[in-house]
Amino acid sequence: EVQLVESGGGLVQRGGSLRLSCAASGFTFRDYGMKWVRQAPGKGLEWVSVISGSGNNTYYTDSVKGRFIISRDNSKNTLYLQLNSLRAEDTAVYFCAKCLYSGSDLPGYYYYAMDVWGQGTTVTVSS
Amino acid sequence: QSALTQPASVSGSPGQSITISCTGTNSDIGGFNLISWYQQHPGKAPKLMIYEGSKRPSGVSNRFSGSKSGNTASLTISGLQAEDEADYYCYSYAGTGTSNYVFGTGTKVTVL
Repeated sequence: EVQLVESGGGLVQRGGSLRLSCAASGFTFRDYGMKWVRQAPGKGLEWVSVISGSGNNTYYTDSVKGRFIISRDNSKNTLYLQLNSLRAEDTAVYFCAKCLYSGSDLPGYYYYAMDVWGQGTTVTVSS
Repeated sequence: QSALTQPASVSGSPGQSITISCTGTNSDIGGFNLISWYQQHPGKAPKLMIYEGSKRPSGVSNRFSGSKSGNTASLTISGLQAEDEADYYCYSYAGTGTSNYVFGTGTKVTVL
């Protein structure tokens, strides 16, 4: 069974840091791009970051550039998101998701569809 | 990059068909056929319903269909059922500019 399980969320003060993890199973992890998507309380979905299968290519939404770092360890089938300089507006449920198309270093436009999602982990930034 | 525009809510009776629109620009929907749609029930993770504008993943009911015209993508649900009541989001590739991808604002579907 293809599965993604996030962990690492919690309550953190403004300006603090957290590292989220996403453990993958049931598919060849290194062959797929992986994405983080977040959802603030009562709000819509927002893409945060995506990383290619090899880890060589990364993309970020403007609001997190310079503060968040996406990475992966293909030997551990695990995706990470390092959250630094956290702000109140980063409060959200963070989902990891597997991109649909296989290929270790696809062009960025291939990462527009995500077919497997984790259950999410909640990050709360207190002021 | 602004969010794609969706109606806040759409409703229909069981058995009816409804259509959710998703309006963008030439820089996203109009420029590429790289559109996906997601269903999200309360407290749950999103589920991929449509990709490449009109293709259904394995296991998704053929009551769901997607299309695109110009800068607007659409999701149609035919034979509406109670379990279709959920939030729906469109998502598009938006090029290599400042924001590579963009979600729609989301639509709450209510089955009357």
